[in-house]
Amino acid sequence: AQSVTQLDSQVPVFEEAPVELRCNYSSSVSVYLFWYVQYPNQGLQLLLKYLSGSTLVKSINGFEAEFNKSQTSFHLRKPSVHISDTAEYFCAVSNDYKLSFGAGTTVTVRA
Amino acid sequence: NAGVTQTPKFQVLKTGQSMTLQCAQDMNHNSMYWYRQDPGMGLRLIYYSASEGTTDKGEVPNGYNVSRLNKREFSLRLESAAPSQTSVYFCASSAQGGNIWDTQYFGPGTRLTVL
Repeated sequence: AQSVTQLDSQVPVFEEAPVELRCNYSSSVSVYLFWYVQYPNQGLQLLLKYLSGSTLVKSINGFEAEFNKSQTSFHLRKPSVHISDTAEYFCAVSNDYKLSFGAGTTVTVRA
Repeated sequence: NAGVTQTPKFQVLKTGQSMTLQCAQDMNHNSMYWYRQDPGMGLRLIYYSASEGTTDKGEVPNGYNVSRLNKREFSLRLESAAPSQTSVYFCASSAQGGNIWDTQYFGPGTRLTVL
């Protein structure tokens, strides 16, 4: 079965600074990879996903993630964060017909 | 469209009590899921329903039962609540469960406390 490890549980960052959230997965077969975001007191929303093709995928609000097969990683980055990016971010990997989620990374953006 | 709705939003139970969490989606999705979210553990799948009329166990099914009432509704029942079931419960749906690349849409969650 596939599994996901998010290497940082908490990431504090100042507004307009860059941020990187690390995600590694275990798999010996083709995978689909996802980043979901959970804003305070809300459900999860899809941020972006990698299915195939270009290894760099982007979201509409400035986040991007790069699929690296050799390092089994799918790190999420944003060059300049806003206060509104304060949220919990979950990496997930396809696992048969289900998703396996990581433990989450809490990003707190400070002015 | 309301998307995925869940009721109730909050619930406090005593050990041994039973309750049913309700979930409905108005996106004509085939597949529905129940997850629990605990600090430091991410989301864990309890049960899922790939299509109307089918249900399957997920990672942590013990102590729970589900019913796929129709295409729209998927309920989660705790027959005898235990403190270990204190958690936030999320319902989700996706267009086609056989396609794992489909986006899952989540409800707002139910915060359950078992005393």
